[in-house]
This record gives sequence, structure tokens and C-alpha cells, in this order.
Amino acid sequence: GIQVEQSPPDLILQEGANSTLRCNFSDSVNNLQWFHQNPWGQLINLFYIPSGTKQNGRLSATTVATERYSLLYISSSQTTDSGVYFCAVEAQGGSEKLVFGKGTKLTVNP
Amino acid sequence: SAVISQKPSRDICQRGTSLTIQCQVDSQVTMMFWYRQQPGQSLTLIATANQGSEATYESGFVIDKFPISRPNLTFSTLTVSNMSPEDSSIYLCSGYRFKGVETQYFGPGTRLLVL
Repeated sequence: GIQVEQSPPDLILQEGANSTLRCNFSDSVNNLQWFHQNPWGQLINLFYIPSGTKQNGRLSATTVATERYSLLYISSSQTTDSGVYFCAVEAQGGSEKLVFGKGTKLTVNP
Repeated sequence: SAVISQKPSRDICQRGTSLTIQCQVDSQVTMMFWYRQQPGQSLTLIATANQGSEATYESGFVIDKFPISRPNLTFSTLTVSNMSPEDSSIYLCSGYRFKGVETQYFGPGTRLLVL
């Protein structure tokens, strides 16, 4: 099945810093989503982005489908950005199931 | 965005017992899924909950251990049967394709601890 790799596995930032999280996937995809899991365990949908670029406030994401990777940018990070960021993909020809990467654990210190 | 609720939010259970988790979506969805997240790990798909028919299970998960029901488009249950400490996880349900939008939303999860 499709493989999803995220990097880095852990990231520690000072408040106000910028960061880039990466997601590589092994096959063509119908769907790619970025999620944030907060310290209480709730999964928040950040972006639906199988291709192209989207922005939402301090967050933006770019997926280059032909090269099989996606990037999540966090600018001017805040302590509330802490948590785990997951990339999840649905393979083309798949059955609408999302396959999750292992996540990037982000810690933003004040 | 749609709202997905789960009950219970957490539970502590004894080995050998069973727990049924309920998932309610506030709008009709095409697909519903159940995931497991073991401590410190990513999410793993348990099964696709099919309306009015047997769920479709992923490799490593079986109906006898994780029976699933989905009687209508907005409700599903997952039972964790004959529990052992290895079943201690967060169990999450999700819904897909709200009103034609290709976005999957997740419930808040059920934190299960098996002693």
C-alpha cells in the first residue's frame, strides 16, 4: 500500500519562529490532508490539499503531486501551535481510506 | 464544518470485558471510519463502517474483536470485545464527504484504559 513519511519527527521552536513540515508519499493520491492533534487529542483538519497551494492565516500548505510531497508552513509560531501534525493521504484507485504518516511533534516554547 | 460526537469520552475497563463506543454525526455522510491510536503513535484504520451491512476490516482487525454497526447515515458503534491491556488506546470515528466536500472530519475520540 501507499507509504507516507513525515519529517522531522520532532521540532522545538521559540515563539515567533517559522517552520516547515514535510510529507512524502509513495504513490499518486486523490486526497491529501493535514491535521493538527492538540494536546487534548482532538484532531483538527487544517487543509485539504491534493495539489496546489492554500493559506489560512499563519498556516499555508503546498502539495506538488507530480513529485509526491507536501509542505506545511507555520509562520510566527505560537504556543498554541504545539501538538502533533499529521499528513494523511488517500491513494488513487483506493477506497477513500486515509493513510496517516507518523506525524511531527511540534513544541513551541514561550 | 460538521460536528462528530463520541460517547463515552473516556473509560477504564477491566480485562475480559467489552465496551461499546457510539459515534454520532450531525449531517449525513457517505463514509464513516473507525481508527485506533495507540499511545504515542499515529492513527491506524480499523474498519470502514458500511450502512446496513457488515463493516470492511483492515488487515489485523477482525469482526469478532471489533464488531461495528451502522444502522443509518449518521450513527455508528464500535465494540471492543474481550479487552486486554493492549487495547488501551484512543478510538476515533470519522466522517467523510459532507455535502460533496472531500474532507474527513474526526470525532473527539474515546480514551480507553484496560486494567
